[in-house]
Amino acid sequence: DSGVTQTPKHLITATGQRVTLRCSPRSGDLSVYWYQQSLDQGLQFLIQYYNGEERAKGNILERFSAQQFPDLHSELNLSSLELGDSALYFCASSARDPPNYGYTFGSGTRLTVV
Amino acid sequence: QQPVQSPQAVILREGEDAVINCSSSKALYSVHWYRQKHGEAPVFLMILLKGGEQKGHDKISASFNEKKQQSSLYLTASQLSYSGTYFCGTEPTDKLIFGTGTRLQVFP
Repeated sequence: DSGVTQTPKHLITATGQRVTLRCSPRSGDLSVYWYQQSLDQGLQFLIQYYNGEERAKGNILERFSAQQFPDLHSELNLSSLELGDSALYFCASSARDPPNYGYTFGSGTRLTVV
Repeated sequence: QQPVQSPQAVILREGEDAVINCSSSKALYSVHWYRQKHGEAPVFLMILLKGGEQKGHDKISASFNEKKQQSSLYLTASQLSYSGTYFCGTEPTDKLIFGTGTRLQVFP
């Protein structure tokens, strides 16, 4: 158990639907990152939050949004889903101060759009 | 902007050594290394924070050449458990950008 909790582990939904992925960071970590990994592909950065505020954005589609709540858990909302959105979605957390630790990843949510 | 790793894939016998390289077109301020087994989450191996730094973890070590904007991961006396995809990562701003990945397979 890495300490980063992601739910659900698996999600199957139809095109056009909306889903919410949830992430609870490791205790004490203020930063949360979301990554997308398509089949046998690399890890694409989506978005980062630090202590409730958006800190950095990557190649995140307009149909996707995220937020971090006061208790530091984060949610990634994916809407108007397309077949190409099928992927593993990882959440990671880190302690930013001092910045000499790596990222701790959750086990991921496997999203299948049919 | 994405770091480029080489080679793309490596096949080893147990006990053999391997080197994985990570190159960036932009200045590197730190380099992370992660290993990901199929269908699992990436696992942090080590971070190098400054040029010239070298680190070791069991029989896996890494170096960071800041001037050349490169880092290398060294796996010595490989074990079956080393199999997986290795990613380097760099932080040009506050986000970690992962490299293209190197798939390593170790056979008995």
